[in-house]
Amino acid sequence: DSGVTQTPKHLITATGQRVTLRCSPRSGDLSVYWYQQSLDQGLQFLIQYYNGEERAKGNILERFSAQQFPDLHSELNLSSLELGDSALYFCASSLQGSQETQYFGPGTRLLVL
Amino acid sequence: GQNIDQPTEMTATEGAIVQINCTYQTSGFNGLFWYQQHAGEAPTFLSYNVLDGLEEKGRFSSFLSRSKGYSYLLLKELQMKDSASYLCCGTDSNYQLIWGAGTKLIIKP
Repeated sequence: DSGVTQTPKHLITATGQRVTLRCSPRSGDLSVYWYQQSLDQGLQFLIQYYNGEERAKGNILERFSAQQFPDLHSELNLSSLELGDSALYFCASSLQGSQETQYFGPGTRLLVL
Repeated sequence: GQNIDQPTEMTATEGAIVQINCTYQTSGFNGLFWYQQHAGEAPTFLSYNVLDGLEEKGRFSSFLSRSKGYSYLLLKELQMKDSASYLCCGTDSNYQLIWGAGTKLIIKP
């Protein structure tokens, strides 16, 4: 158990819909990272937040947005969903920044029908 | 551009030794991570190298050569449970993360 929690574990929705994925980092960790992993593909870095502020941006679509709240939990919002958005979405956290070990949550498996 | 390259797939035999290579091209360099990921599960941390040399941790060792932009993960006494993907991840001068596509390691009895 990494100490990072993600909800929900599974999500099934339809094209065009909007969903919100939630992540609670390990106690004391200030950075949160979001990743997308499609079937048999590598990890695609989406975005990083540090203590409530956006720190780094990867290959995140404009239809996707995220935020980190004062209690340090984070949400990833996916809108106008397409079939290709079906993937495993991981959240990870680290104490400070990206030069430190990341601890990954169990992931949210999203299926868009 | 910034890039991390690692082999797509490797096969090895139970009890043997395997070396998974990773080469990187980044603007500046601030360390390299190796993570293990079993199918359908979250990645877990294996090692972090920021200085040249070999870091040994039980059956797993990781090596870094900054001048060559090269790292490898060495797995000894392979066990069936080592069948997984191994992800190489570098950090550039701005501490941006650059992930490789992962190497799928298949262990055969």
